[in-house]
Amino acid sequence: EVQLAESGGGLAQPGGSLRLSCAASGFTFSSYSMIWVRQTPGKGLEWVSYIGKRGSTIYYADSVKGRFTISRDNRKNSLYLQMNRLRDEDTASYFCARAYCSNDICFGLPEFWGQGTLVTVSS
Amino acid sequence: DTVMTQSPATLSVSPGERAALSCRASQSVGTTVAWFQQKPGQAPRLLIYRASNRATDIPARFSGSGSGTEFTLTISSLQSEDSAVYYCQQYDNRPFTFGPGTKVDIK
Repeated sequence: EVQLAESGGGLAQPGGSLRLSCAASGFTFSSYSMIWVRQTPGKGLEWVSYIGKRGSTIYYADSVKGRFTISRDNRKNSLYLQMNRLRDEDTASYFCARAYCSNDICFGLPEFWGQGTLVTVSS
Repeated sequence: DTVMTQSPATLSVSPGERAALSCRASQSVGTTVAWFQQKPGQAPRLLIYRASNRATDIPARFSGSGSGTEFTLTISSLQSEDSAVYYCQQYDNRPFTFGPGTKVDIK
C-alpha cells in the first residue's frame, strides 16, 4: 500500500523558514517523480513543485520560485520542501504526492496523496 | 497559464440520480485532464486520469469524457458517500493548474 506521510509544518513568521518532509513507503520511491501541492480555503488547490526520479528535473510554480527548494533522498525514501522567505500567502496545507507514471514516463499528475501538513505564516 | 474553470459551483442531487460536472480549460490541453474527489478533512483522491480513464478501485459509476477544452465528470447513480468537492486538473503544461471545484450535495 502506498503511504506518504508529511511532517514539518507549523507556525512561522513572515520572512522565516520551514522545512517539510515526506516519508514514502509501499512503493519503489526512486521509480517515481514526486510533487508538492498546497491548499488554502481561498485559493483552492495549487501545484507547487515537481521533482523527477533522480532529482535532476525540477519545476516550481512562479509563486514560490526562488524561495522554495524541492529535493529528495532516494536512499531514505524521502521528499523535502525547504521554504524560505515565507509570506502570509504561503499559509496552506501542504500535500506531498506521488506522480502518475506510465511506461516509465512520469507526469505532473498527483496520483497518491499524503494527508498533508499545515503551514501557518503569521507574526 | 492554463486557467481551469468548473461549473456549477454547487450541485444538489438526489440519491440514484445522475450528476454531470463540467470543467473548461482556457486553452487546449488534449486529454491530459484528471478529476479528484475530496471529502472534508481528507486529501484529494484521484478518480479519473487522461480525461476518461478510471483510477484503481474507482467505482464504475464515475466516468469522464472530453478533449481539448471541454471535459465532463459524470456520476451515473449518486450514492450518499459521493458527497464531496470535485476538482479537475490539467497536466498538459506547467504550471499544472486545478479548477476551483464543484461541491456535490446529496438532497
